[in-house]
Amino acid sequence: QVQLVQSGAEVKKPGASVKVSCKASGYTFTNYDINWVRQATGQGLEWMGWMNPNSGNTGYAQKFQGRVTITRDTSISTAYMELSSLRSEDTAVYYCARRLYYDSSAPYDYWGQGTLVTVSS
Amino acid sequence: DVQMTQSPSTLSASVGDRVTITCRASHSISTWLAWYQQKPGKAPKVLIYKASSLESGVPSRFSGSGSGTEFTLTISSLQPDDFGTYYCQQYESYSGTFGQGTKVEI
Repeated sequence: QVQLVQSGAEVKKPGASVKVSCKASGYTFTNYDINWVRQATGQGLEWMGWMNPNSGNTGYAQKFQGRVTITRDTSISTAYMELSSLRSEDTAVYYCARRLYYDSSAPYDYWGQGTLVTVSS
Repeated sequence: DVQMTQSPSTLSASVGDRVTITCRASHSISTWLAWYQQKPGKAPKVLIYKASSLESGVPSRFSGSGSGTEFTLTISSLQPDDFGTYYCQQYESYSGTFGQGTKVEI
């Protein structure tokens, strides 16, 4: 069955970086874009960026440009999201979600379980 | 960037009620809109995509409509399991802006 399994919770100090992984299984990794979405406690969903695992092409929300990097390792069907220069406002649950890349009507149909990143001094 | 605005922010309704949530886009997104349901501590779950297509396995009491800048999610007969927060999302381009959410209380 399709699964996106994310790495565990992280605690980081302000100014540090965090790298969250998202391991895919149960489907062909390169057929689906991976998107990253975050959610601060009690807040809404915020789209951060996207990657096509086949080409490596990426796109980022303007808010995160210069601070976020999405990469992948196709040999282990894993995508990564690295966020740098962390501040307290980055404390949130970070989700990965897949989307069929060649169907422009396709939604995010499977999501990871979420990774809590806490930024605190 | 496209901005998405949902209303209402909170909705209280009874079992059996017909419920409607509205989502407005800052500019036309054709029908590139999805609706998600999220329960506390869980990842979102897609209900509707391409504005009106029902995701496989989703009960038929959920329906979506609209195009351009105005969209609605309707629950024809609210059930106890329908509590949670609902989000619209545009995906006109590779980006995926969400609305701010509508919390549905039973």
